[in-house]
Amino acid sequence: QVQLQQWGAGLLKPSETLSLTCAVDGVSFSDYHWIWIRQPPGKGLEWIGEINESGSTNYNPSLKSRVTISVDTSKNQLSLKMNSVTAADTAVYYCARVRRGALPHWGQGTLVTVSS
Amino acid sequence: QSALTQPASVSGSPGQSVTISCTGNSGDFGSDNLVSWYQQHPGKAPRLMISEVSKRPSGVSNRFSGSTSGNTASLTISGLQAEDEADYFCCSYADSGTWVFGGGTQLTVL
Repeated sequence: QVQLQQWGAGLLKPSETLSLTCAVDGVSFSDYHWIWIRQPPGKGLEWIGEINESGSTNYNPSLKSRVTISVDTSKNQLSLKMNSVTAADTAVYYCARVRRGALPHWGQGTLVTVSS
Repeated sequence: QSALTQPASVSGSPGQSVTISCTGNSGDFGSDNLVSWYQQHPGKAPRLMISEVSKRPSGVSNRFSGSTSGNTASLTISGLQAEDEADYFCCSYADSGTWVFGGGTQLTVL
């Protein structure tokens, strides 16, 4: 059974750095691509970025300058860092596993609120 | 890239069928037809309902089906049940390696 467990700081001030981690269990971590997605309150889903098994990344152009996604294959974890956050970055952030252009497994989501 | 276009809301009575459309521009739907659909109940993570346009993952009811025509993908839910009431999102993985989501459709079971 594939499980993705996320954690990270839920309350940030403007200009701080968002940092989230997603631990994967039940599947060979290095065999898949992984993705971060966010959902502002009451709104739709937005792709943040994707990382493949070799660590190559592909980011949403609108966020690329502020985002870093990395993996630690020894711990079966992926991470998201986003710097210079503003209130517009307030959202629920999800990690998910990629398979053939679909997302069959998701983390539970982490609400990140940016407020002064 | 622009979001895929979905109706904001649809509704139907129990037992009826509803179809949710998802329209994109040329190139939004890649050549590999990697269109997927997700169901999301309030406060929950999205759940994959359809992958690769029309494939149902294990555990998804056969009341859910997907199709495409031109630049429009569709999700049809037949035999509506109360538990189908949720938000539904379409998603496309384009040839450029980018992911595009629809704005979401709120399904109300009357």
